[in-house]
Formats: sequence, structure tokens, C-alpha cells
Amino acid sequence: EDQVTQSPEALRLQEGESSSLNCSYTVSGLRGLFWYRQDPGKGPEFLFTLYSAGEEKEKERLKATLTKKESFLHITAPKPEDSATYLCAVIGGQNFVFGPGTRLSVLP
Amino acid sequence: NAGVTQTPKFRVLKTGQSMTLLCAQDMNHEYMYWYRQDPGMGLRLIHYSVGEGTTAKGEVPDGYNVSRLKKQNFLLGLESAAPSQTSVYFCASTSVEEGYQPQHFGDGTRLSIL
Repeated sequence: EDQVTQSPEALRLQEGESSSLNCSYTVSGLRGLFWYRQDPGKGPEFLFTLYSAGEEKEKERLKATLTKKESFLHITAPKPEDSATYLCAVIGGQNFVFGPGTRLSVLP
Repeated sequence: NAGVTQTPKFRVLKTGQSMTLLCAQDMNHEYMYWYRQDPGMGLRLIHYSVGEGTTAKGEVPDGYNVSRLKKQNFLLGLESAAPSQTSVYFCASTSVEEGYQPQHFGDGTRLSIL
């Protein structure tokens, strides 16, 4: 059975304090790993797709990396507007499996 | 371009009542999904559809029914609402051209069952 875990559950950072979020997965035949951002009262918003180990994607202060068992979302010099819940999802079979998310707070 | 639109945005029901949630997408996506999101549990798949006229069960289908009569619409029905169905419901759609693409989500329906 495909499974996704995320750590930490919640993270508080000072503005400018870089850190990483972890997504660990168990899936038979990874077809893709997806990172989303979710703001309160909104639906998840797509950030990155990674398809194979070693792949990296970057967008502004965010960088996503992928190994055979986990993915990291690195946040460099975060700003308060980066505060959100970050979700990780994988697809191996036919359906997407989501992790519980990491709630990030960036304090000014 | 509206993307994925869910109606209603909020609803309060009494136990035993029924209702239908509507999802509409304007991206011509083949695949559509219904999820529920509960604190600490992530998004759980209720039902999904891989094309017009087809539906399938997800992880937590009991107490729900779905229909996809038109490609752009996916309906989620609660036959007899129970307090355990209090949740936030999200609809999503995606294309599978050139492999699985990211899902596009609506902004959710917040449902309370009293």
C-alpha cells in the first residue's frame, strides 16, 4: 500500500532562517511526486512535480529534491508570505496519495 | 479561466438529510476526484472518475455516491448525512496526457452535520 509521511508536523521560522521540509514515501513504481502549498480556506496550489531520483526543481525561495525514498522542500531565506501548509503527494498506481502536510509559520 | 469551481462553499445539514456537492472544471480534463480533508489526516480520496460516464471508489467511499454525466462536471452526493461526514470537501481534476500531471483543486466546500 502506498504511503506518505511528512515531517515536521509544524515548523516555526524567523524571517530569513532557512530550513527543509521532509516527505518520505513508500510506493511501488513511482510515477510522480508533487508538492503543493495550501493557504487557510483555500484548495492546494501546485508547486513542483518530480519524476525521478536526482531531479531538482526551483522556484523563487523554494527548491524541491527527490531521492528513491524521500523528497525535501528547501526554503531559503523565507518571508512571512511563505507561511502556509505544504503538502506532498505521490502517484504509483492509479491514484494520488497525500501526506498530512507540514504547517509552516514564518515570523517577521 | 475559472479552473475548478465548487458549489456551495459552506453548508450546514442535520443528521439524515441529503445533499449534492457540485464540481465544475473548464480545462477539459479527463480525470476528476473528490477528497475529504480532516485535521491531521491529509486528503483522503472518496471517489474518482477517469472519464464521462465512469466512476470508481476511492479510500473512503461509504455514505457517498457520485455521478459524471458530463465531462466537465462531477457530483458528490450524501445519501443520509452523519456527523462523521463533517469535513472540508475538495474536488480536483487532472490530465494524463504525457504522464500524470498535477491536480488542480477547487477551494473546497465546508460541510457541517449537526
